[in-house]
Amino acid sequence: NAGVTQTPKFRILKIGQSMTLQCTQDMNHNYMYWYRQDPGMGLKLIYYSVGAGITDKGEVPNGYNVSRSTTEDFPLRLELAAPSQTSVYFCASSYSGDFVNEQFFGPGTRLTVL
Amino acid sequence: DAKTTQPNSMESNEEEPVHLPCNHSTISGTDYIHWYRQLPSQGPEYVIHGLTSNVNNRMASLAIAEDRKSSTLILHRATLRDAAVYYCILNRDDKIIFGKGTRLHILP
Repeated sequence: NAGVTQTPKFRILKIGQSMTLQCTQDMNHNYMYWYRQDPGMGLKLIYYSVGAGITDKGEVPNGYNVSRSTTEDFPLRLELAAPSQTSVYFCASSYSGDFVNEQFFGPGTRLTVL
Repeated sequence: DAKTTQPNSMESNEEEPVHLPCNHSTISGTDYIHWYRQLPSQGPEYVIHGLTSNVNNRMASLAIAEDRKSSTLILHRATLRDAAVYYCILNRDDKIIFGKGTRLHILP
């Protein structure tokens, strides 16, 4: 199993540009999550999904959109990039949402907005 | 949000045990205690979790106080590879809330 994969690994955007961060998992997990991590800080939950077709907001959803059309994929969309969105983005998945089950994290996407 | 308090950083010598403390005085009866760690330039990885009883796995042990207001992650024999940020987290309402964690330095 590849686990959780994220693309791209690095990206530089100009202010106002848009992009989609891709996340795929091959573990047949129902739950998927997007986090962001600013330098020296812990992770903050952006959005999460409990299954295909269902998404919900986390702590910091403003400026982002998500969709979940399949069990495997959970893309994160930035519509109008701002410098405040410069961060490392992590995708994660788990079998269920009761958090007794561990979350598996991808390697991250480092995004810089200039 | 369920809050945890951890020291900002700790040091330990290689091949010695490490005890990482965590306070969670506002824990409720159904909150699980989870520990994750984040190695440099990687995503977090699960270490261990527990509810009331002490827990052991291949990576670590988790000691939970009787009143559940604190817990301790125990690495029995630290190696250089254990240098990471360790997060103590309370699972509440299906959301994991990460704090700043404890940065563990291992001295050779």
